[in-house]
Parts: sequence; structure tokens; C-alpha cells
Amino acid sequence: QSALTQPASVSGSPGQSITISCTGSSSDVGGYKYVSWYQQHPGKAPKLIIYDVSDRPSGVSNRFSGSKSGNTASLTISGLQAEDEADYYCSSYTSSSTRVFGGGTKVTVL
Amino acid sequence: QLQLQESGPGLVKPPETLSLTCTVSGGSISTSSYYWGWIRQSPGKGLEWIGSIYYTGSTYYNPSLKGRVTISVDTSKNQFSLKLSSVTAADTAVYYCAGCVQTEMALDYWGQGTQVTVSS
Repeated sequence: QSALTQPASVSGSPGQSITISCTGSSSDVGGYKYVSWYQQHPGKAPKLIIYDVSDRPSGVSNRFSGSKSGNTASLTISGLQAEDEADYYCSSYTSSSTRVFGGGTKVTVL
Repeated sequence: QLQLQESGPGLVKPPETLSLTCTVSGGSISTSSYYWGWIRQSPGKGLEWIGSIYYTGSTYYNPSLKGRVTISVDTSKNQFSLKLSSVTAADTAVYYCAGCVQTEMALDYWGQGTQVTVSS
């Protein structure tokens, strides 16, 4: 299975909004509502921030939002803060009942 | 609050078998609707899904690793395990165990990760 496609890096100034894309196929992203997003700070374990395309776990800031159109899912971070600087990974359920991750996107707060 | 903790050797010789255990505390590993998984991250690289096991015992593995991976559950110890055979230097990574507990498909609980180096 091929990894989902994410941009290698995205940057923005504090207070701005940024969007990270995650492109797959009809066998994964496009075929199911089970797209999730993870935030990973250096040396730390990933943390779930979005599941089922657009739902947020309890305790996750509402500055994080998710959406999907066709085979592409997106994560938007609004009101960018210094603490948002991290790596972000998308993941999807697949038609083979497996999971696949994206290659990851490094978010830099300028 | 559910907690997961990986354990196992930090150094494995090729072509031996890598064996890791994830101990779950704060909840039962056999609760229906839960599933458990292993994910790894090679140095400087992204996350790679290794495989999952459902409370029913059903397992699903990354096709790129199929044939070398086995994931199992020991309900008496509230643990699940990973075995990866015929390892090479390419299997050097931080290995994470994770669980899907309060969502339907997403991994909402993670262990801290354990570094495994494959070297003779």
C-alpha cells in the first residue's frame, strides 16, 4: 500500500491559518469516513487531534479542524500558535482493512 | 485513564526476531470494540503502520511486512505483543504501541515508544 501524500512542509505566522492536505485514493481516503490526524512534537509520541474526518477528541483545541473532498482530506489550524510547531500525519482506513499513514508535514511558525 | 507501555530488547541482531510487548493499564484489553496496534518510525522518517489486532482476535498487517509480522494478545496479562522476524538494519526504528478505545477507528491512546536498533 502506498503512503498518503502530504506536503513536506507548511509555514505560517502567529495568528494565521494554515491548511495541510492529505491525498489518497478511492480505496482509502475517498472511500471511508475514517481519516484521522496526529500531531507529533520532537521526541514525543503522536497525539490524535482529529478522527472520523472532522471530529475532535475531548481536550483538543477547536483551532484544529478537518474536512474531506473526494480523495483529499485536509487539516486546518486557525490562529496559529508557537506550540503548534510540530509534525502532522494523516491516516486512513483502507479497503484491505489496514491503515496507512501520510508521509508527514512539518509545520513551522514563523 | 488508560496507559500503554512498550517493553523489549533495545538491540536485536540480524536476522533474529524482534519481540516487543505492550502492557495496558487502567482498563481491560479484551473490552469489546477496542483494537490495538503497532506503529514504527525510522530515524528522521514518518510513521509506518505495522498491524492491528481486534478484540475478536482478528489481525491485519501491513502488506509490505506480511510474512514477517505476528501480533497477539495475552488477556491474562493485559498485554499485546509484536514479533517481527528476519530483521535487518531497515527495521531500526522507534516502535509505538497504540489503542483505539474511545473512537471507532483512530488510535487515541499511545505508548511513549521504544527504540529498537538492529545491528550485529
